[in-house]
Amino acid sequence: KQEVTQIPAALSVPEGENLVLNCSFTDSAIYNLQWFRQDPGKGLTSLLLIQSSQREQTSGRLNASLDKSSGRSTLYIAASQPGDSATYLCAPGQGGSEKLVFGKGTKLTVNP
Amino acid sequence: NAGVTQTPKFQVLKTGQSMTLQCAQDMNHEYMSWYRQDPGMGLRLIHYSVGAGITDQGEVPNGYNVSRSTTEDFPLRLLSAAPSQTSVYFCASSNSDRGGNQPQHFGDGTRLSIL
Repeated sequence: KQEVTQIPAALSVPEGENLVLNCSFTDSAIYNLQWFRQDPGKGLTSLLLIQSSQREQTSGRLNASLDKSSGRSTLYIAASQPGDSATYLCAPGQGGSEKLVFGKGTKLTVNP
Repeated sequence: NAGVTQTPKFQVLKTGQSMTLQCAQDMNHEYMSWYRQDPGMGLRLIHYSVGAGITDQGEVPNGYNVSRSTTEDFPLRLLSAAPSQTSVYFCASSNSDRGGNQPQHFGDGTRLSIL
């Protein structure tokens, strides 16, 4: 059974810092890995998707890397802003895009 | 473009009552899934569908039924609500692509309380 761990569980940083969120998973037989953002009381917004054959994806200030063999992914956020405050969820896809296994998330607070 | 629409947004039920959570998507996605999110836990997969007429169980299917008669709709039925089913329920959809490059799109969730 796939298990996903996200470290740290919570992170508070001053505005402008670069930061790294970590995700580890136990089963390397994945199709892809998605990073999501969830604001309080809201649904999930997809940030980045890395296919199993890829090593990284970038979107604006976000960069996600994937090391499938070691069961790790990282989300790098450059020049953090207060608007980045949210919970970030990591989810490897098992058996296809219809089945994601989620970590418990990292709650990020960026202070002005 | 509405994306994934879930109704209702909030619901309170009594133990033993039944109800259906609605999910509709207008993106012509083949894949649809239901997850529940509980405090201190990650989202867990309840049921999923890879196309009309095809459904399968996820990690926590007990107490829930699904059917998929159309591509657009994927309702989740609680047959006899229990307090343990108090949760936030999310519906998601994605294009069918075994290459793994199709992201899942999520609705805003249904917050369900069972008394």
